[in-house]
Amino acid sequence: GEDVEQSLFLSVREGDSSVINCTYTDSSSTYLYWYKQEPGAGLQLLTYIFSNMDMKQDQRLTVLLNKKDKHLSLRIADTQTGDSAIYFCAETETGGSQGNLIFGKGTKLSVKP
Amino acid sequence: DVKVTQSSRYLVKRTGEKVFLECVQDMDHENMFWYRQDPGLGLRLIYFSYDVKMKEKGDIPEGYSVSREKKERFSLILESASTNQTSMYLCASSSPGTGGGEQFFGPGTRLTVL
Repeated sequence: GEDVEQSLFLSVREGDSSVINCTYTDSSSTYLYWYKQEPGAGLQLLTYIFSNMDMKQDQRLTVLLNKKDKHLSLRIADTQTGDSAIYFCAETETGGSQGNLIFGKGTKLSVKP
Repeated sequence: DVKVTQSSRYLVKRTGEKVFLECVQDMDHENMFWYRQDPGLGLRLIYFSYDVKMKEKGDIPEGYSVSREKKERFSLILESASTNQTSMYLCASSSPGTGGGEQFFGPGTRLTVL
């Protein structure tokens, strides 16, 4: 079945860049997503990338997509303490019902001052 | 501004009680979803709905039921709550063909079953 894998933890120092990686199995996914969850809150969409793109940049965020390796990454430049959160990678579920997403287990980013 | 609201942020219930979790969205979205989130397990889909009165089982429907009588409202029901249903419950909605088909999430309900 479809699966999305990501490492569970990442720790960086304030001001450094963070790179959160994700691998997925469904090569026919239309969109891939990055969500952010702050403590005690729901998930907030950070960005998404269409499957025919290699890169998408939005201010401090850069998303890279390698379709050949089924690898997605999120780079956060100049990481701040406010970026501490859990980051989820997700892909659209194909062959299933429209609108379903497959989520990774989330990467907890800790930013040390 | 798009909005998904959930009836409670925190809920404490006793084993065997019937529990209702309500979710309302104001975006006229066709799709609505209920997930539970547990440490180390990520998000697991319980039930989803494409339209009013339509429902489909997700990955872990056992012990739960849902109701969608109106487009904007999707309810999750625990018929007889058990301690292993202590969790964070997240509701989401989406509309196919809108933007990237992304799901919009509510703030979550943290349910404790004693």
